[in-house]
Amino acid sequence: GEDVEQSLFLSVREGDSSVINCTYTDSSSTYLYWYKQEPGAGLQLLTYIFSNMDMKQDQRLTVLLNKKDKHLSLRIADTQTGDSAIYFCAEEFGGGAQKLVFGQGTRLTINP
Amino acid sequence: KAGVTQTPRYLIKTRGQQVTLSCSPISGHRSVSWYQQTPGQGLQFLFEYFSETQRNKGNFPGRFSGRQFSNSRSEMNVSTLELGDSALYLCASSQAVGMNTEAFFGQGTRLTVV
Repeated sequence: GEDVEQSLFLSVREGDSSVINCTYTDSSSTYLYWYKQEPGAGLQLLTYIFSNMDMKQDQRLTVLLNKKDKHLSLRIADTQTGDSAIYFCAEEFGGGAQKLVFGQGTRLTINP
Repeated sequence: KAGVTQTPRYLIKTRGQQVTLSCSPISGHRSVSWYQQTPGQGLQFLFEYFSETQRNKGNFPGRFSGRQFSNSRSEMNVSTLELGDSALYLCASSQAVGMNTEAFFGQGTRLTVV
């Protein structure tokens, strides 16, 4: 089945690291994505990881992929107030066809 | 390089009417996908077009349809609008060639059905 699960809320202190977790179902997915959505806006592609990778780092963002457990995480180092948003993980289905299945989104709140 | 452009940004329609939303993909991108976002159901896949052909379709009624033109621009149409169709409609474009499958989203069209 097609199912992506995320916790709904995360609250961290400014300057701390944020870790957003996601579990997915389809082990044949080629790519897994992280998107950010700010109020009233569309989805901003943050980063993605190819399924044969374990880790990808991009400035303050680190993506970890555990294929055995079908677990994906996004770590944001030195979290800032501008990081407040909803974060979605998404799994790509359908081979070459662009079909993404999204989690429910994790609302990240930053405390001063 | 211009991003994905969706028009209009906001729409208010009455139940029973029909609506057409437009999406212009990033230049060079041949794949356009459409998604519906609601507070209750989250983000749900509607359909995907590549080179004017629908390649994949989500689980939505036939009132939801789309098409893609030769310049890769896409439109989606919803007929006989219902209150439950109120949502943010997002389109995404992708090169969808080889390893280049990242999907970039537009700002969305917020549809309100009254």
